[in-house]
Amino acid sequence: SQKIEQNSEALNIQEGKTATLTCNYTNYSPAYLQWYRQDPGRGPVFLLLIRENEKEKRKERLKVTFDTTLKQSLFHITASQPADSATYLCALDNAGNNRKLIWGLGTSLAVNP
Amino acid sequence: DAGVTQSPTHLIKTRGQHVTLRCSPISGHKSVSWYQQVLGQGPQFIFQYYEKEERGRGNFPDRFSARQFPNYSSELNVNALLLGDSALYLCASSSKTRGTEAFFGQGTRLTVV
Repeated sequence: SQKIEQNSEALNIQEGKTATLTCNYTNYSPAYLQWYRQDPGRGPVFLLLIRENEKEKRKERLKVTFDTTLKQSLFHITASQPADSATYLCALDNAGNNRKLIWGLGTSLAVNP
Repeated sequence: DAGVTQSPTHLIKTRGQHVTLRCSPISGHKSVSWYQQVLGQGPQFIFQYYEKEERGRGNFPDRFSARQFPNYSSELNVNALLLGDSALYLCASSSKTRGTEAFFGQGTRLTVV
């Protein structure tokens, strides 16, 4: 069956450390994968998009990797800050005619001062 | 420049009633997608419209319908509301149907009692 899985448990880290979040998928062949941040009661906010032919993408303190062999994406936040505390969602393109993004359940990140 | 706007922000309805949710995309964006997000879950795709045509449909019953207007704004209609329809309904706009980031509104919190 098709699945997209993110770290099921909340991640607690100390301010200044690097947070690493995982997104694994099964039985999909996405053309691209996206990461979003979501705060309670708000809509998701786009962070990064990485295509299947890209290994790594960076934006300021954020880095995403995409390994289509392992069927995995890693999302890193370096020099984390308490303001980075939120739920982080990965979404992949379900290549096909349905045009829909498939979303993980999200990983809750708490950065402690 | 205004982002994606949704109305209303909160709504309480009784089982069996009908509801209409509205979304105005970012200026220049022709694609609007609707998602349902239940607490603790990732967004679930409902519909995508592009240039006033339905381009994708998720696994939702026929009680859910949508349309897009000439100005690219969109409505999501849900008939015969069930308790299980209680959720955050998100609208996302994008410049293309695939391969680009989605910009989300703040959502409409629907509670069915």
